[in-house]
Amino acid sequence: QPVLTQPPSSSASPGESARLTCTLPSDINVGSYNIYWYQQKPGSPPRYLLYYYSDSDKGQGSGVPSRFSGSKDASANTGILLISGLQSEDEADYYCMIWPSNAWVFGGGTKLTVL
Amino acid sequence: QVQLVQSGAEVKKPGASVKVSCKASGYTFTSYGISWVRQAPGQGLEWMGWISAYNGNTNYAQKLQGRVTMTTDTSTSTAYMELRSLRSDDTAVYYCARDLVTGPWGQGTLVTVSS
Repeated sequence: QPVLTQPPSSSASPGESARLTCTLPSDINVGSYNIYWYQQKPGSPPRYLLYYYSDSDKGQGSGVPSRFSGSKDASANTGILLISGLQSEDEADYYCMIWPSNAWVFGGGTKLTVL
Repeated sequence: QVQLVQSGAEVKKPGASVKVSCKASGYTFTSYGISWVRQAPGQGLEWMGWISAYNGNTNYAQKLQGRVTMTTDTSTSTAYMELRSLRSDDTAVYYCARDLVTGPWGQGTLVTVSS
């Protein structure tokens, strides 16, 4: 199974933006896949945030604020989760996920600290 | 409301088997599948597989092929995940989910494998 690479940690201050990345292996083109993003807080199951394929094909999870958004950087073969106007409750682990070939694959997760 | 309730924590010895249940309510059980995801302590998410509650078709993660069996009991709207030949690295919280995107997810079941 392919490995989705996420930085282990990231930090930002309240009110700032956080840009979390999910890099696909070179043999999988980010442009061909929906990138799904999840938020997980300690002791809870993951919460679906959104998916992003393109600006015209994307979806927000139920109740997920619009300050969570997705994008891609094709040059870096990377999916991006942007969280604007950071709040203390955004401190959590964030996971990306794709369906490359008959199986779901998760990234290793990024722990976001809101300083 | 739609919910999935999982069975309680288990402690098993290496080489044993464990069977985790996931009881669904609030929707027509056979209209959806059930996915299973696990998370080792302090680690990321790992997709284990999926079963159709309609016809029992399964799709298992390649890594677990031969050790995992997913079943359903439509009379009780319950899905089961059995993992055999347990090893210490199978220690994890096991989640069921009606749909990884739309949810809901179960509350998780901690399985500890220890001699």
